[in-house]
Amino acid sequence: ETGVTQTPRHLVMGMTNKKSLKCEQHLGHNAMYWYKQSAKKPLELMFVYNFKEQTENNSVPSRFSPECPNSSHLFLHLHTLQPEDSALYLCASSQGRDLAGVQETQYFGPGTRLLVL
Amino acid sequence: RKEVEQDPGPFNVPEGATVAFNCTYSNSASQSFFWYRQDCRKEPKLLMSVYSSGNEDGRFTAQLNRASQYISLLIRDSKLSDSATYLCVVTRSGSARQLTFGSGTQLTVLP
Repeated sequence: ETGVTQTPRHLVMGMTNKKSLKCEQHLGHNAMYWYKQSAKKPLELMFVYNFKEQTENNSVPSRFSPECPNSSHLFLHLHTLQPEDSALYLCASSQGRDLAGVQETQYFGPGTRLLVL
Repeated sequence: RKEVEQDPGPFNVPEGATVAFNCTYSNSASQSFFWYRQDCRKEPKLLMSVYSSGNEDGRFTAQLNRASQYISLLIRDSKLSDSATYLCVVTRSGSARQLTFGSGTQLTVLP
């Protein structure tokens, strides 16, 4: 399945490094999301973009910086991360229609497994 | 109190068994409810949406009780391929796109 792709799939970085995670969706969707999944914890929503505009930032530290240049691409720029930031970072997309009460199925990418040393 | 609570399990059941998972949510204004499935080291995938009237998809039945803020998933005639973590998911009030995930219930179906 190639609806939502993420690169790289694995990443090891030092605390002083700068890296970027990339997500691309081929589903014609307009909403994209970043989630963090740490061991033994539920998925945590980080950011939401709808029609390229950021609509949610769930109190994410500034060392995580999202970028959404168009509806198909989403980036997560990382700098000066901490070891506790090691986790699986999942991208998702959904249709993004602004219709109240309409359920939107979110489709997830395979994730980037990040290790911060 | 967690926004979405699930029994983490693990549930170990023999093939062919019926197994039920429960989930409670704290936000009475939540509008939409889902069960997602996550295989080991893979991404979550939607299993089924949950409607007030209850809904069935093959061997899977989902129920919602808004008064008790309770969601359930029933799996009949378990298959080995059903082994996974089942995630209870609700939307936050006023947002169709803000999903709150439970920690998941781990199921292992044994031969």
